[in-house]
Amino acid sequence: DAGITQSPRYKITETGRQVTLMCHQTWSHSYMFWYRQDLGHGLRLIYYSAAADITDKGEVPDGYVVSRSKTENFPLTLESATRSQTSVYFCASSERVNNQPQHFGDGTRLSIL
Amino acid sequence: GDSVTQMEGPVTLSEEAFLTINCTYTATGYPSLFWYVQYPGEGLQLLLKATKADDKGSNKGFEATYRKETTSFHLEKGSVQVSDSAVYFCALSGGSGSARQLTFGSGTQLTVLP
Repeated sequence: DAGITQSPRYKITETGRQVTLMCHQTWSHSYMFWYRQDLGHGLRLIYYSAAADITDKGEVPDGYVVSRSKTENFPLTLESATRSQTSVYFCASSERVNNQPQHFGDGTRLSIL
Repeated sequence: GDSVTQMEGPVTLSEEAFLTINCTYTATGYPSLFWYVQYPGEGLQLLLKATKADDKGSNKGFEATYRKETTSFHLEKGSVQVSDSAVYFCALSGGSGSARQLTFGSGTQLTVLP
């Protein structure tokens, strides 16, 4: 089915561990985004990508790494997880044209103990 | 930079009541405005959008009008249903930031009681 899928849906890990969240989209959208959702903050942009091998920082990039070797995949890595990174993470994609809506995955709930 | 301010929640209404969720924005240029809805356990879904002043976006009985003079994009529905219970986010793109980046409000939780 066409769409955007995130995995895993739920993840529990410990501080200091590395964890990677996966995002895959089947629309061939140029743009992909990673957000974190925290109570009282809405969604905040972590990183985004305009195309394969092109990535840029968003509002809250510290502690995160992204890559985009293929158009359809946009993994997010926490290199050394901290408790402050406990959150719900959403991946989104959109077409190249300006001001197009973004399409969101169902999210990954990450808990760091 | 750009910002979006939504009315504080949570909002609790009885079925068939009238809904208004206020949204105001700060942005330079001519942003596009969006309302997204998030049902429990799911990602955000686009509810409606407006790309220029005086445009009205509408979908599933919800409406919002882009008011540049008051920098507002209030969401309204004439008669809410239990199934409308969700979190609603106002967002903009194309202000001082990139046309492809969204700036979100903090969200408003709506609960509709039968």
